[in-house]
Amino acid sequence: EIVLTQSPATLSLSPGERATLSCRASQSVSSYLAWYQQKPGQAPKLLIYDASHRATGIPARFSGSGSGTDFTLTISSLEPEDFAVYYCQHRSNWPPTFGQGTRLEIK
Amino acid sequence: EVQLVESGGGLVQPGGSLRLSCAVSGFTFSNHWMSWVRQAPGKGLEWVANIKKDGSEKYYVDSVKARFTISRDNAKDSLYLQMSSLRADDTAVYYCARVPAGAVAGHFDYWGQGTLVTVSS
Repeated sequence: EIVLTQSPATLSLSPGERATLSCRASQSVSSYLAWYQQKPGQAPKLLIYDASHRATGIPARFSGSGSGTDFTLTISSLEPEDFAVYYCQHRSNWPPTFGQGTRLEIK
Repeated sequence: EVQLVESGGGLVQPGGSLRLSCAVSGFTFSNHWMSWVRQAPGKGLEWVANIKKDGSEKYYVDSVKARFTISRDNAKDSLYLQMSSLRADDTAVYYCARVPAGAVAGHFDYWGQGTLVTVSS
């Protein structure tokens, strides 16, 4: 099973700032990595798939990069609605697994 | 509009059984692998099971193998999860999720709102 490790666990930033979230895989997942956003009481929402492709309707301030074992989700300028928990997930092999999440909170 | 609506959650005693359902609309159900993903209270996400478009292939996380069965009825646009021998650590919100067309062990592009399963005496 591939383990995904996200860092930091919590990120405290202000609206307008740039956010950089990391996801590291225990072995290569090629580019088969997705990012999700989850707000309290809501289902996760797909943001990025295959490392760098934005899902339908996702604003351009969200971008993903990386391949192999190291991936980054960048939010270029934080909006108030971006404060949430973010998860990465791979689909390289069975089972698909998720990272433990990064909580992005308002500073 | 793509919609996935889960039902069937509730309180069940350890060792008991429960069947979850997911009714979908807004897309051609038979064109997509489908999944169940769960989230224990205050915890992260865990993939539970996947089923092929025609139901001929099924995959499970090790912790639920031989206890849970994923199935689908393409005529009714519905996905199911039969859960048996339930344990306290199965307590979670269970989400039905769609895998994009053409993918197998994919990411999940649409999710239901979830249904809470609580295993407790």
